[in-house]
Amino acid sequence: GAVVSQHPSWVICKSGTSVKIECRSLDFQATTMFWYRQFPKQSLMLMATSNEGSKATYEQGVEKDKFLINHASLTLSTLTVTSAHPEDSSFYICSARELGTSGNIQYFGAGTRLSVL
Amino acid sequence: QKEVEQNSGPLSVPEGAIASLNCTYSDRVSQSFFWYRQYSGKSPELIMSIYSNGDKEDGRFTAQLNKASQYVSLLIRDSQPSDSATYLCAVNRRPSGSARQLTFGSGTQLTVLP
Repeated sequence: GAVVSQHPSWVICKSGTSVKIECRSLDFQATTMFWYRQFPKQSLMLMATSNEGSKATYEQGVEKDKFLINHASLTLSTLTVTSAHPEDSSFYICSARELGTSGNIQYFGAGTRLSVL
Repeated sequence: QKEVEQNSGPLSVPEGAIASLNCTYSDRVSQSFFWYRQYSGKSPELIMSIYSNGDKEDGRFTAQLNKASQYVSLLIRDSQPSDSATYLCAVNRRPSGSARQLTFGSGTQLTVLP
């Protein structure tokens, strides 16, 4: 299957600082990337849908000014958690949908575990 | 009613047995269905996709889809301890006013006992 690279895999930061997470599709072009958040013992919750060259679409309850998403190319999307607080500590996972494929298969990155002190 | 529902488990089966995982969905117009496996602390890994009614087999895995009943299942034959993980059912749907997206069930935790 297609490969999605996500970095960093683990980050610890102080409260009030910002953290950037990168998501890259390595061997395919992705017009659409998705950002999910997963709290312990819970399922994946979609935060936002990121389309190359346009503004991201955020799910209800997700603050777009706090979770900044940039999708500047067909292979890279970034999520910046601004002014992070302990309640933002979670497992953040990106996925990418390959351009032109049917069936809408999403390939997931390895995830980023964020701990805010 | 949740869009995608799974039995949360945990489900335990002995090694070599068949594990049966079930999922129901509420959006009748959904066309694409997926099973992902997620090991603890890792991201989901795609196991199966299914789009048509009936069975789809891939190695020890069989996905079954019944659109009339809005039901998707995953059978794992000859279960191995390495199959122990959380299995996520995902349905591709287009919520009102939104783009097409995957909606995940809460997952079923499977333990295969040696």
